[in-house]
Amino acid sequence: AQKVTQAQTEISVVEKEDVTLDCVYETRDTTYYLFWYKQPPSGELVFLIRRNSFDEQNEISGRYSWNFQKSTSSFNFTITASQVVDSAVYFCALSTNGGSQGNLIFGKGTKLSVKP
Amino acid sequence: DAGVTQSPTHLIKTRGQQVTLRCSPKSGHDTVSWYQQALGQGPQFIFQYYEEEERQRGNFPDRFSGHQFPNYSSELNVNALLLGDSALYLCASSITGTAGGYTFGSGTRLTVV
Repeated sequence: AQKVTQAQTEISVVEKEDVTLDCVYETRDTTYYLFWYKQPPSGELVFLIRRNSFDEQNEISGRYSWNFQKSTSSFNFTITASQVVDSAVYFCALSTNGGSQGNLIFGKGTKLSVKP
Repeated sequence: DAGVTQSPTHLIKTRGQQVTLRCSPKSGHDTVSWYQQALGQGPQFIFQYYEEEERQRGNFPDRFSGHQFPNYSSELNVNALLLGDSALYLCASSITGTAGGYTFGSGTRLTVV
């Protein structure tokens, strides 16, 4: 079975703190894609990153960084020096059908609140 | 460049009624997927349309049906509405055969009373 688990339901931090959102996935496929999306109150899912199962390099994009570890089936997301605008629900998702077709399997999301 | 457009934004229906939700994909995208997001949950895949045919379907009853038009826009129809159908319905578009990923719309908030 394919599954994504985001164990943290809600996280609250003070502005400028670093915060890590955890994601653990399950799949028997050897080829798969992992995603992170941000959902602000407006409802739209905003794409943050996509990684395929053959690329375990960590990635940094501005204040965002991602740690992909196949050995522990984890794809964690860190925001450095958090800002109030980072407040949103963050979803981790898995796809085994390719990066642009087939279905995404989402976790239940982590609600991040960044207080000034 | 317009992204994914969904209409209406909000909708209130009565149990037993039927509803149609609409989605216009991002320009250049040929594939449309629909997701249901219940309050406090992650989105769940309903189905995907490509070349005007349902290519893949999630674990949803036949009350949920869809259509894709030649211009790639899509409709989601739900018959015999239940209270449990109340959710945010998200449309995502993509280009089959590329690694471009999915673009999501802002969704339609359906409330069944």
